Amino acid sequence: GAVVSQHPSRVICKSGTSVKIECRSLDFQATTMFWYRQFPKQSLMLMATSNEGSKATYEQGVEKDKFLINHASLTLSTLTVTSAHPEDSSFYICSARTSGNTDTQYFGPGTRLTVL
Amino acid sequence: GESVGLHLPTLSVQEGDNSIINCAYSNSASDYFIWYKQESGKGPQFIIDIRSNMDKRQGQRVTVLLNKTVKHLSLQIAATQPGDSAVYFCAENSAHYGQNFVFGPGTRLSVLP
Repeated sequence: GAVVSQHPSRVICKSGTSVKIECRSLDFQATTMFWYRQFPKQSLMLMATSNEGSKATYEQGVEKDKFLINHASLTLSTLTVTSAHPEDSSFYICSARTSGNTDTQYFGPGTRLTVL
Repeated sequence: GESVGLHLPTLSVQEGDNSIINCAYSNSASDYFIWYKQESGKGPQFIIDIRSNMDKRQGQRVTVLLNKTVKHLSLQIAATQPGDSAVYFCAENSAHYGQNFVFGPGTRLSVLP
């Protein structure tokens, strides 16, 4: 099946710093990638949809200036958490869609962000 | 038995028994559904999918049933194994959601020895 990787898998940072998370589709091209956030014992909440070569579409309540998304190629999307605060600590998961609008989404392994 | 915890409903089954995990989805126009398995500290893993023109689909040890009349989806796992212990999410997709997937709250499956 399609493989999606994320880097780093775990990051600890100080409050006020910025953190970049990479999401890569390893064996397929992904015109669309998604970024989710998951708090403990809760479901996945979609943050934004990232289309290659265009601006990301953010869900209601997600600050686009705080969560910067770049989808520069068909295999790479990045999420930068700017000026991170402890409340940004969470599990961030990306996914990539193979092709078409209703094809399967494959998820990355997630990135655990802890902001001190 | 099945119980509702603070955040996630939990289903406990004996090893070797069959498991049935249920999901009520939101939108009658949703036309594509996926079941994902998520182990602790990992990303969701695709298990099986089904489109709205079907009411049943079988995989290896898993079966998904779709009842569009009552907007209900279920995942059946045969001969449940300890490795099946995880949180299971159903996800629905429709044009209503901009072709994005919307995830259910999840169910924690605990397999008892």
